[in-house]
Amino acid sequence: AQSVSQHNHHVILSEAASLELGCNYSYGGTVNLFWYVQYPGQHLQLLLKYFSGDPLVKGIKGFEAEFIKSKFSFNLRKPSVQWSDTAEYFCAVRNNNDMRFGAGTRLTVKP
Amino acid sequence: SQTIHQWPATLVQPVGSPLSLECTVEGTSNPNLYWYRQAAGRGLQLLFYSVGIGQISSEVPQNLSASRPQDRQFILSSKKLLLSDSGFYLCARSSTQGQYFGPGTRLTVT
Repeated sequence: AQSVSQHNHHVILSEAASLELGCNYSYGGTVNLFWYVQYPGQHLQLLLKYFSGDPLVKGIKGFEAEFIKSKFSFNLRKPSVQWSDTAEYFCAVRNNNDMRFGAGTRLTVKP
Repeated sequence: SQTIHQWPATLVQPVGSPLSLECTVEGTSNPNLYWYRQAAGRGLQLLFYSVGIGQISSEVPQNLSASRPQDRQFILSSKKLLLSDSGFYLCARSSTQGQYFGPGTRLTVT
């Protein structure tokens, strides 16, 4: 079965710092890739997704992610984080009906 | 609109008691449905998914089971709860754009 690895469990940054959260997956076939965000006390919501085409995808709130097929990676980036980006971020991989999530990365942005 | 309902919202159950969590979906037919468990530090663990009535795929061998008696109903059950079953249980529906999640059920096993 496919698996999803998020290497950073907790990241602490100051406002305006740049962010990169790692995500790797194990499945070798065609996949759809997602990043979800969960703000404190709220439901999971979709941040961005990749299905095909340009491997650099842009999502909401200034986030972007790059799909690198050779590295089985889909890292999330943001050039300058804000305090309001404090949340937990989940990478997800879907192959047909099978959709799996990483363990999540908790991001804390200090004002 | 497409809505996912989960019942109950919170539940406190003693060890060894049975469990039944219900998920119902509105606004779509023949959805692919999922049960996930969210626990601190473990992200979202896929427990079961279903592509149709009576069709259940189990991802994690454990004391939980799932059933899909109707097209828009997905039930998570256990005959005897363990302490380790505590967590936040999310029902989800897939779409071409990703997963839509229900509001979740917070289960505490005491």
